[in-house]
Amino acid sequence: DAGVTQSPTHLIKTRGQQVTLRCSPKSGHDTVSWYQQALGQGPQFIFQYYEEEERQRGNFPDRFSGHQFPNYSSELNVNALLLGDSALYLCASSSVIAGDSYNEQFFGPGTRLTVL
Amino acid sequence: RKEVEQDPGPFNVPEGATVAFNCTYSNSASQSFFWYRQDCRKEPKLLMSVYSSGNEDGRFTAQLNRASQYISLLIRDSKLSDSATYLCVVNGEVDGYNFNKFYFGSGTKLNVKP
Repeated sequence: DAGVTQSPTHLIKTRGQQVTLRCSPKSGHDTVSWYQQALGQGPQFIFQYYEEEERQRGNFPDRFSGHQFPNYSSELNVNALLLGDSALYLCASSSVIAGDSYNEQFFGPGTRLTVL
Repeated sequence: RKEVEQDPGPFNVPEGATVAFNCTYSNSASQSFFWYRQDCRKEPKLLMSVYSSGNEDGRFTAQLNRASQYISLLIRDSKLSDSATYLCVVNGEVDGYNFNKFYFGSGTKLNVKP
């Protein structure tokens, strides 16, 4: 049973460029969330996708956008990269269970983005 | 004020020691609480969910105090392999379809020494 997978594992970009990160959820999961983790900090919630729609969003600018595909996989796009966007980007998958607030999330290994 | 606050540590303890971490959260409406473990340069992995009545999993015990809005994690008989960063996670807004914003603390680093 494949867990959450992400690609690429590492990426180096320059300021002003655009980047696309990819995530495939754990088998049986239908919800994907994206997080940004700066060095020494906890993950910060970016947004969450379910049924190809953004359902929740954290405090991130519009430069951060996403997409979910019919097979539940997801992309995170970041435009006009800034030096401060350098971080580990984590994808987490979960399953929406009606009436159950304990949506345990399983994380992928992350994509380490460096912006020069 | 941050949604979730943790003591960053590090907590340096000898093998076999008992160590406790606390975490406070700001949203009194939060309903889901978790402890995750993160090893250096790895992804977070779920350690345990935290239930209102408290719960135990082997050497690990989690407690929730809703009145004071804090969560605790107790590790008994510490092992070298317990060395990691422990992240406290709390859900924020929940909509009618149960979509959550999860807020992570900055983590508490634990070093277990021989």
